[in-house]
Amino acid sequence: DSGVTQTPKHLITATGQRVTLRCSPRSGDLSVYWYQQSLDQGLQFLIQYYNGEERAKGNILERFSAQQFPDLHSELNLSSLELGDSALYFCASSVGSGGDQETQYFGPGTRLLVL
Amino acid sequence: AQKVTQAQTEISVVEKEDVTLDCVYETRDTTYYLFWYKQPPSGELVFLIRRNSFDEQNEISGRYSWNFQKSTSSFNFTITASQVVDSAVYFCALRVYGQNFVFGPGTRLSVLP
Repeated sequence: DSGVTQTPKHLITATGQRVTLRCSPRSGDLSVYWYQQSLDQGLQFLIQYYNGEERAKGNILERFSAQQFPDLHSELNLSSLELGDSALYFCASSVGSGGDQETQYFGPGTRLLVL
Repeated sequence: AQKVTQAQTEISVVEKEDVTLDCVYETRDTTYYLFWYKQPPSGELVFLIRRNSFDEQNEISGRYSWNFQKSTSSFNFTITASQVVDSAVYFCALRVYGQNFVFGPGTRLSVLP
C-alpha cells in the first residue's frame, strides 16, 4: 500500500458525460501527478500540482482539468467524454515539487469505462 | 528528447528460472534518474528502485538485482529464482531535470508454475 488513495475504483459512464476522479496523496507529500494508462498510449503524464499550484503539464486534453485543494487532495475532471477516454487513471504523489530525484508513489488507479 | 525502450513486450518463464528485463534509455542530459515500477494484475503501480546517473553501482535486493551501464544506456532488471507472484508488467522510467517522467512501454512477465 503506497499511501495514495483514489476514488472511485471503477467508473462507468456514457459519452458526453462529465466525471470527477479524486486523489489523496501520501501524508506529507505536496505534489500530486495525474497519469492516463491506455492500451495504445501506455502511461502518459497529464498534469502535476504542487502545494495547490499547477507545476507541469503533459498530454492533457482541453476537455480535462484538475485542481489541488488546500488539504492537498486533488481532483481530475473529465468532460465531454469520448469512447477513447476509457483508460486507467493514476494519481501519484511525491514529497516535494517534483525534482528529478523524487520518487513518485502511485495510487491504485480509477478504471474509467465510457460507453 | 527523452525516450525509454523496453524491447521485450512479453516474457514467459517457468518458476525458479532467472529472468532479465531490458531497459534502454535515451537522453542528452548528464544528470538523470532511472526507475523501475511493477504493475501486478491488481493494477496498482509499485515502486521498486531509483538510481541516479552518477551511481553505476549495481544493486541487489533479495531476488531482485539491477545492472546500470551508462556506456550502453541500459538499466536492466534481473529476477533470480522467479516466482508466480512476480507475474506482472514491469515499467522502466526516466526523469531528467525539469522534465516529466517518461515511461517505457512495459514488459509483461508471466511466471508459470
